[in-house]
Amino acid sequence: GQQVMQIPQYQHVQEGEDFTTYCNSSTTLSNIQWYKQRPGGHPVFLIQLVKSGEVKKQKRLTFQFGEAKKNSSLHITATQTTDVGTYFCAGQRGANNLFFGTGTRLTVIP
Amino acid sequence: SQTIHQWPATLVQPVGSPLSLECTVEGTSNPNLYWYRQAAGRGLQLLFYSVGIGQISSEVPQNLSASRPQDRQFILSSKKLLLSDSGFYLCAWSGATGLFEAFFGQGTRLTVV
Repeated sequence: GQQVMQIPQYQHVQEGEDFTTYCNSSTTLSNIQWYKQRPGGHPVFLIQLVKSGEVKKQKRLTFQFGEAKKNSSLHITATQTTDVGTYFCAGQRGANNLFFGTGTRLTVIP
Repeated sequence: SQTIHQWPATLVQPVGSPLSLECTVEGTSNPNLYWYRQAAGRGLQLLFYSVGIGQISSEVPQNLSASRPQDRQFILSSKKLLLSDSGFYLCAWSGATGLFEAFFGQGTRLTVV
């Protein structure tokens, strides 16, 4: 079956440091999405990338979609305590199913 | 606007008992519907997805089943719960075309004892 792996599984950073999580798929994706899940909450959509090599920014967050549409990354510049949570990528192959990555749990130390 | 309702929020069930979790969506038609399970501190495992009434795709063999009796209703069931069925169950919907952003319900925390 389709697999979407994320690394690292956990990341502890000092407030103000940068953070990056990487997502890799075993198959080519039609699009990739990123979600954030706060502790005790449900995943909330952040962004969708569709085009090969696409880069999108949301304030301190930068999202990239690989040229082969099999990998993606999320980079947070100068982390804040409000960035705490688990970040998931989710890939689609076709228009229906949506497979989530294993997630990266970010802890920000004040 | 679209909303998704999932209930109950928490559930404690004995081993061997049946399960029925319900999810309904408002404000959209013909959504794609999903059931995910999240074990404590783990990722989201896709259990079932549906592209229409009566159309269910199962992603992993397991003790659970899903049904979609109406366009905006998705039900997760089990005849006999196992201890390993414990987890956080999330229902989600997305559009069938265009932006496939998934919207999640609040989740059901199931503990099988």
